[in-house]
Amino acid sequence: EVQLVESGGGLVQPGGSLRLSCAASGFTFSDHYMDWVRQAPGKGLEWVGRTRNKGYTTKYAASVKGRFTISRDDSNNLLYLQVNSLKTEDTAVYYCARGEGSSGVFDIWGQGTMVTVAS
Amino acid sequence: DIVMTQSPDSLAVSLGERATINCKSSQSVLSRSNNKNYLAWYQQKPGQPPVLLIYWASTRESGVPDRFSGSGSGTDFTLTISSLQAEDVAVYYCQHYYDTPLTFGGGTKVEIK
Repeated sequence: EVQLVESGGGLVQPGGSLRLSCAASGFTFSDHYMDWVRQAPGKGLEWVGRTRNKGYTTKYAASVKGRFTISRDDSNNLLYLQVNSLKTEDTAVYYCARGEGSSGVFDIWGQGTMVTVAS
Repeated sequence: DIVMTQSPDSLAVSLGERATINCKSSQSVLSRSNNKNYLAWYQQKPGQPPVLLIYWASTRESGVPDRFSGSGSGTDFTLTISSLQAEDVAVYYCQHYYDTPLTFGGGTKVEIK
């Protein structure tokens, strides 16, 4: 079964850090772009960033650039999102999503992990 | 950045009737190199992650019922549910993947009238 499972969310104070993880299974992880998408409570979807396959170049949304870092471990089928200098507006469910081979659309999503930034 | 604008914000449709959702991009998402529109549609039910319905503006993802269809080109796109079923109650999002940053529309909430 193709699956993505996120972990690492929690309650953190403004200015704090977290490392989110996404464990992939059921497909050849190294063949795919992998993305993070977030959703603030009651709000829409916001793309956070992407790591490409075979070269690992990364792209970020302007709202997180310089504070968030995406990395991947293809040997262990893991995707990471290091989130630093957190702000209250970063409070959201963070989803990892697989980029489909030829298009990059998000064909598989995890269930998400909640990050709450509050004092 | 490409801005995606959806309309309406919400709509209520009777069971078995047609639901139509519009999505407009601030610039064309049609690639001249392959003549494909880099536009996708997702469905999100409460408490669940989004599910891919349509990509390349009109290609249904495997397993998606054929009552869902996508159309349009360039900057104007439509998602149509030909005969609304109870299980289609959800929020629907369009998204471009023409280039980064990828952006989503604000979502359209579909309910039963």
